[in-house]
Amino acid sequence: LAKTTQPISMDSYEGQEVNITCSHNNIATNDYITWYQQFPSQGPRFIIQGYKTKVTNEVASLFIPADRKSSTLSLPRVSLSDTAVYYCLVGPGWGANNLFFGTGTRLTVIP
Amino acid sequence: EAEVAQSPRYKITEKSQAVAFWCDPISGHATLYWYRQILGQGPELLVQFQDESVVDDSQLPKDRFSAERLKGVDSTLKIQPAELGDSAMYLCASSRGTGISYEQYFGPGTRLTVT
Repeated sequence: LAKTTQPISMDSYEGQEVNITCSHNNIATNDYITWYQQFPSQGPRFIIQGYKTKVTNEVASLFIPADRKSSTLSLPRVSLSDTAVYYCLVGPGWGANNLFFGTGTRLTVIP
Repeated sequence: EAEVAQSPRYKITEKSQAVAFWCDPISGHATLYWYRQILGQGPELLVQFQDESVVDDSQLPKDRFSAERLKGVDSTLKIQPAELGDSAMYLCASSRGTGISYEQYFGPGTRLTVT
């Protein structure tokens, strides 16, 4: 499984756009990139997934450069309710086991 | 919206006692996961089932932990005997298949405190 590196923590003011970058230098050809969000005392929740270029849904955007060695989760106009831990996962799309969550990035949104 | 159910939500037990957690995945989900999450860390996979078969238990401390999913539906995770270091959140998740492309749906977790 590709090793990922993300910032331990980030602070942002309400209403700002937040970008969280994940490095995965040894990503394999068949690996996908997935982000999960976890609020205190809850299980993680899927946010977005991508393979290359840009993916957007109602919650976030995921930007993946051509070399795929990093990815950036973008949260538009964050609110206090976006305060959570965000995990970047990289692994084969199908048939693989043991997804590694790491320690994630703790985002704190400040009023 | 279907959810993963777990019970109990909270459990306090004394060291050396036995403890068991139960998980009911979303109907139709073939893959079931048990994770342990220590405060301040990310979830760590303990065991993964595909239907009733274990496909990964490499991180499961087999001298004290056991897991089963007898009919390929609900699952039980047991610890015997419990140790102080087992205090953590135990999360169950399920997905339609195996691999990162299949979204994992997590239950609310069981918070275990060993005294």
